[in-house]
Amino acid sequence: SQTIHQWPATLVQPVGSPLSLECTVEGTSNPNLYWYRQAAGRGLQLLFYSVGIGQISSEVPQNLSASRPQDRQFILSSKKLLLSDSGFYLCAWSANEQFFGPGTRLTVL
Amino acid sequence: TQLLEQSPQFLSIQEGENLTVYCNSSSVFSSLQWYRQEPGEGPVLLVTVVTGGEVKKLKRLTFQFGDARKDSSLHITAAQPGDTGLYLCAGSLTSGTYKYIFGTGTRLKVLA
Repeated sequence: SQTIHQWPATLVQPVGSPLSLECTVEGTSNPNLYWYRQAAGRGLQLLFYSVGIGQISSEVPQNLSASRPQDRQFILSSKKLLLSDSGFYLCAWSANEQFFGPGTRLTVL
Repeated sequence: TQLLEQSPQFLSIQEGENLTVYCNSSSVFSSLQWYRQEPGEGPVLLVTVVTGGEVKKLKRLTFQFGDARKDSSLHITAAQPGDTGLYLCAGSLTSGTYKYIFGTGTRLKVLA
């Protein structure tokens, strides 16, 4: 069966510091991969998606970036965090249906 | 811009009551999914509907996809406190862009 991992689970970072969130998927090959951000108790905002290694589509202009160095690895990064980057970040994978990881709670102080 | 509007946004009901959540769009979807999310966790997939007019049942939950594949509903019979959570619908567009459009969410609280 397929599983998806995200880490860290929680993160507190100062403004201006770098960010690296990692997501890995097991049990499937060549999945579509996604990064979402969710405001408290609300719907999901798509940030990036990838249909293959090195292929990244950006949905929202921001100071975040994404990379897919391996087939089942998706990384969300920032060089300098802003207060507005705080939120709940979700990684997901899909073949015909979309499945989510456990999420990372990011607080920027 | 494709939008999926969910209604109601908030719902607080007593245990044993019935409820319906709606998910509406002007876009046509190749499939539509419903999720339930607990605080601090990722959304969990409940069901996927793919055929216009399709009805699927999951215990006390009934999901329906509109004939034109633009809307969907989730009906819960005899709600229980364990049904409490954020319900999200998500549509997969027919254009093959691999993107999912998410609804704004319905926060349900079932009181014992």
